[in-house]
Amino acid sequence: ILNVEQSPQSLHVQEGDSTNFTCSFPSSNFYALHWYRWETAKSPEALFVMTLNGDEKKKGRISATLNTKEGYSYLYIKGSQPEDSATYLCAFIAGGYQKVTFGTGTKLQVIP
Amino acid sequence: DTEVTQTPKHLVMGMTNKKSLKCEQHMGHRAMYWYKQKAKKPPELMFVYSYEKLSINESVPSRFSPECPNSSLLNLHLHALQPEDSALYLCASSPGGADSGNTIYFGEGSWLTVV
Repeated sequence: ILNVEQSPQSLHVQEGDSTNFTCSFPSSNFYALHWYRWETAKSPEALFVMTLNGDEKKKGRISATLNTKEGYSYLYIKGSQPEDSATYLCAFIAGGYQKVTFGTGTKLQVIP
Repeated sequence: DTEVTQTPKHLVMGMTNKKSLKCEQHMGHRAMYWYKQKAKKPPELMFVYSYEKLSINESVPSRFSPECPNSSLLNLHLHALQPEDSALYLCASSPGGADSGNTIYFGEGSWLTVV
């Protein structure tokens, strides 16, 4: 069983604040890490696919970094907006595996 | 078209019923997945089909039976379920084979309630 953990479990921020949260995963046998955004009553939407140690990806106000040697990834949101309210899931893929193991998720609520 | 379509969106079934969940994608993806998600837990993998062949069964009870009639369709046949099987069932697909690490595209899910 692969241990993929996210922190914090939930987060409330004011509109305009920047925020970040963490995904921790096994540091051995890394293949890829995905970040997904899941709004209530919608399907999870892929944000980033990260494969290389030191990767930094950006999409608008959202960015992510990856450290495969120590087994963590950060997701940053700059200037949070109410529409950013969602659950953010990371997903770890081990080498040689076909299995995607999801983290426990961080539920973000942005207060107008 | 970047959609994974699941039907029905909601299903209520008795413990003796036989029903099916359906999933369809027309993106030419070669891997398709069933996930189960209980409240406040991450999605858990159930089955993976890669190039229309079952490649992973995560020790799922036989009352769940997957079927991949062709590369665009994935079914989950349900029979003699228990109330604890009530959950959100997510279908997903990805380009290439399931071991490619590609982005996974999810459907909106089917909410199943077993009474």
